Amino acid sequence: DARVTQTPRDKVTEMGQEVTMRCQPILGHNTVFWYRQTMMQGLELLAYFRNRAPLDDSGMPKDRFSAEMPDATLATLKIQPSEPRDSAVYFCASGKAGANYGYTFGSGTRLTVV
Amino acid sequence: GQNIDQPTEMTATEGAIVQINCTYQTSGFNGLFWYQQHAGEAPTFLSYNVLDGLEEKGRFSSFLSRSKGYSYLLLKELQMKDSASYLCAVNRAAGGKLIFGQGTELSVKP
Repeated sequence: DARVTQTPRDKVTEMGQEVTMRCQPILGHNTVFWYRQTMMQGLELLAYFRNRAPLDDSGMPKDRFSAEMPDATLATLKIQPSEPRDSAVYFCASGKAGANYGYTFGSGTRLTVV
Repeated sequence: GQNIDQPTEMTATEGAIVQINCTYQTSGFNGLFWYQQHAGEAPTFLSYNVLDGLEEKGRFSSFLSRSKGYSYLLLKELQMKDSASYLCAVNRAAGGKLIFGQGTELSVKP
């Protein structure tokens, strides 16, 4: 089965450090989403791309977060500097625009900022 | 703006039927998804509705009424493994923003 691959699976870092999370979408998928999940807020959309172009990043704190797709096989989410409130599970999802079978999620990166 | 509401939690008995409701108010609508998420795992796709009516897929069915901003997920012949969070998500534009509700935590008891 095709899958969305996220690395690292778990990350513990100190406040103030830079964190980079990576996502390899499924080959042929042209839409990539970044979500953050916490118990309090649920799944929040941070940013998404279509055909590698950023379409919306309004859910992302721009002063510290950045999302890019340097090529069709890699999406990155960076936090600099990280803060304890950034602790969450970050999911990447990919799909084809207009498809009716939903988007496929990666296993997520569990981030803990201490 | 957007607002997607689901009950926080539900409990049902193994073998029974349960209906999980979702109401939404969003600017733009291009379909509604249901996802299942087991604890510690990623959400997995269950169903998609873009037109009014019922979509059936094995033990799971999903219904949509666009005029009422309402959907439900129906789970039949409940099994213990159906204990999970069920997430309603609205697609605001074709291939566009997929916004999730808070999820409904379903517990299936013997």
